[in-house]
Formats: sequence, C-alpha cells, structure tokens
Amino acid sequence: QSALTQPASVSGSPGQSITISCTGTSSDVGGYNYVSWYQQHPGKAPKLMVYDVSNRPSGVSNRFSGSRSGNTASLTISGLQAEDEADYYCSSYTGSSTLVVFGGGTKLTVL
Amino acid sequence: QVQLQGSGPGLVKPSETLSLTCTVSGYSISNGYYWGWIRQPPGKGLEWIGSIYHSGSTYYNPSLKSRVIISVDTSKNQSSLKLSSVTAADTAVYYCGVSPYYYYMDVWGKGATVTVSS
Repeated sequence: QSALTQPASVSGSPGQSITISCTGTSSDVGGYNYVSWYQQHPGKAPKLMVYDVSNRPSGVSNRFSGSRSGNTASLTISGLQAEDEADYYCSSYTGSSTLVVFGGGTKLTVL
Repeated sequence: QVQLQGSGPGLVKPSETLSLTCTVSGYSISNGYYWGWIRQPPGKGLEWIGSIYHSGSTYYNPSLKSRVIISVDTSKNQSSLKLSSVTAADTAVYYCGVSPYYYYMDVWGKGATVTVSS
C-alpha cells in the first residue's frame, strides 16, 4: 500500500481538462512544498513534470500544472492530447524517516 | 545535456548482492547535484531507494537502509548502487537519476532490469 493515495485511473477526451489527485498527510504533502509529479509511458523511464508543488521543469508544456490544498496535491492537464496517455505518479518529501514517498500511480486514458 | 545510463547484471541469485552502475555523460558529478536511485517492480509503482550528494552525504529509504550502499566515483563519473541479501522482491527496473535536491528526480536514466532468481 502506497503512502500517498491516487485514483487508479482517470480518463478524458482530447481537448478536455483532467485533474489527478494525490492525498497524503500533514507530515508529507500538507507539510512541505516538496510535491513532485512524474509521467511514465509504457516501457519508458518516468519524466519529471512538476516539482515543488507547482514548478515546471524547462521543456514541460504549460498544459501541465500542479497545485495543493491542505493534504491533497493535484496535477491538472489542460487541452488533453493523445500523447498525454500514460501513468502519472506523485511523490513527496516526508518529515518522517522515510524521507521520500510515492503514490500508487494513476493511469490516464485519452478517449 | 546530462545523460545517464544504468548497467549491471540482469540476473542475480537470491542472497547475493545486486550491483549497478550509472554512467553519467554531459556533466561532471564532482560539480554538484544529488545522484539517486529509484526502482519499479514489474507492473507496480515507484519506490525511492536513496540518493547521494556529490560530496558524499547519503540519504536512504529506511526500509532498505540496512542493505543499501550508494556511492559515487568522480574519476569514472559514475554513481553505483549495491543492494545486499536480495530476494525475489528486489526484482525490478532500477533507475538512476540526478537532481538539485534528493527528494525528486530531475533527469532519469533509461533503467536497468534486474531479476532475482536461482
């Protein structure tokens, strides 16, 4: 069982917006500005999409945005495209000895 | 543009030590950053293994800490992962990467598949 909770799957049609949630506790997601999001296509290495809750690395489309409310972080993808179909993982620093925890992943299907 | 490539034996016997190397190109390890390892068992999610600062400070997942050693060799521009006393549960794709901070991975290598089996 993962430390952070994500929905197993979400779906949307091209052009729509979707949001993937990532729920933790005040000891991780809610306690630090250190939430990150990764995209992983089948058979490929994950790719960093958002770090420190809402920052995008250079080269990542501005269709991807991160936010947080309380103990839940969110990744929003606007203007959904077929190439966005992938697994998405959230991660957070935690003040416990574990240091870094992941969510179980969310499979995004573009209909 | 920094690039990373993990390599090592694809098959390790139970109770033995898994050893992987991450070769870095396009950037000198000695110049800075955190060099980390994350693994993904077949069909499952990601698990943080640990990270090392270029100067040698290490950070490990407590669930693996007793079995893990992460090191850097600046002369070879490589990071290394050693995981001892492996079991089938350690079968996974092992990714190496780099980041300004240890709590996320900015640039990822392609991953090295390791199977633990006799």
